[in-house]
Amino acid sequence: ILNVEQSPQSLHVQEGDSTNFTCSFPSSNFYALHWYRWETAKSPEALFVMTLNGDEKKKGRISATLNTKEGYSYLYIKGSQPEDSATYLCASDNYGGSQGNLIFGKGTKLSVKP
Amino acid sequence: DVKVTQSSRYLVKRTGEKVFLECVQDMDHENMFWYRQDPGLGLRLIYFSYDVKMKEKGDIPEGYSVSREKKERFSLILESASTNQTSMYLCASSYDASLLGTDTQYFGPGTRLTVL
Repeated sequence: ILNVEQSPQSLHVQEGDSTNFTCSFPSSNFYALHWYRWETAKSPEALFVMTLNGDEKKKGRISATLNTKEGYSYLYIKGSQPEDSATYLCASDNYGGSQGNLIFGKGTKLSVKP
Repeated sequence: DVKVTQSSRYLVKRTGEKVFLECVQDMDHENMFWYRQDPGLGLRLIYFSYDVKMKEKGDIPEGYSVSREKKERFSLILESASTNQTSMYLCASSYDASLLGTDTQYFGPGTRLTVL
């Protein structure tokens, strides 16, 4: 059974703090790693898709890195703002091909206090 | 923008009722998915479909069935709703990624189903 683990489960930070969380995924038959942001009462929204070992992606204050050999990815948020409060999901694609199945982690719930 | 819509945001049903959850996407995506999300358990795949009239079981298909008669529409059916099916249900769609190797899933807003 393929499993994706995220840590921590939840995180409370002050506005302006930088933070990071981890996603561990199966490295066998790996195709890609997806990060999503899921705000309360909204749809999960795609942040990044990463495929290559050493990949680094950035969107504003949020960035992510990928290590496919050891099977982990980090998501970093620089200078957290209250609007960053959300659950951050990672999902591993270990199937590839046309079916598009992803294995989702349970998420890291981030709360940013003003 | 990709749009995935679900028929209801909130739904309350009684035990034993037949329940239909509808999902429609407007981007001509081949793949469609139904998940349920429960506290502490994350997103769990119920069923998915990679083409019209095709369906595959996910991790937790028991108690559910699906229908995909048209490419844009994927329905989740609870034949006889039970209280343990109270959950948030999310629909998603994606392109056929066989040439790309992977593709982003686009999610609907979710249906919060309560079975009494």
